[in-house]
Amino acid sequence: EDQVTQSPEALRLQEGESSSLNCSYTVSGLRGLFWYRQDPGKGPEFLFTLYSAGEEKEKERLKATLTKKESFLHITAPKPEDSATYLCAVSLGSNYKLTFGKGTLLTVNP
Amino acid sequence: SQTIHQWPATLVQPVGSPLSLECTVEGTSNPNLYWYRQAAGRGLQLLFYSVGIGQISSEVPQNLSASRPQDRQFILSSKKLLLSDSGFYLCASILGPDNTGELFFGEGSRLTVL
Repeated sequence: EDQVTQSPEALRLQEGESSSLNCSYTVSGLRGLFWYRQDPGKGPEFLFTLYSAGEEKEKERLKATLTKKESFLHITAPKPEDSATYLCAVSLGSNYKLTFGKGTLLTVNP
Repeated sequence: SQTIHQWPATLVQPVGSPLSLECTVEGTSNPNLYWYRQAAGRGLQLLFYSVGIGQISSEVPQNLSASRPQDRQFILSSKKLLLSDSGFYLCASILGPDNTGELFFGEGSRLTVL
């Protein structure tokens, strides 16, 4: 059973059209929730870490938020270069082993 | 800054052949190292992790194995590849010296088993 579920699987936006990606998790003892960006054929690139409900992090057009059950990645006025797969992951125990969701493929059209 | 080198970048192998993927890390010492696999339609799956030389933990039973002969070298191997071993293999290490959990990934090795 999936512990990390991301939705939608794919999202198409027009340039400037703001939206949100969702990551829900069904685990206890969360030590951290992580967002990554992955471009085709590349390794994931770290974006944010959130540790507790209510926490928010921002980077350029991206803002990540966390509740007790889910996290959102808000994209404000996206540009075509924001097109990528966005991955969510949770850290549960020691040794920083991350459990990843399947990702959301974001396409921003000019 | 930290850099992870993976090779080969792409590999096409027949079923039943052996495999060796190598990962080396620069810019840090005594890192936690991880092997993940990304298969079509699936999320990143943790295969192995290592907290030090010679220390390997396996997360998923399979025909793959891992070794860590040096502090900054991590190797993924198989004696006989299966079709289901195809995928994108990613090596990762902890990003920061204070071990807050952010992983830093290499560029990956894409394996196709025919």
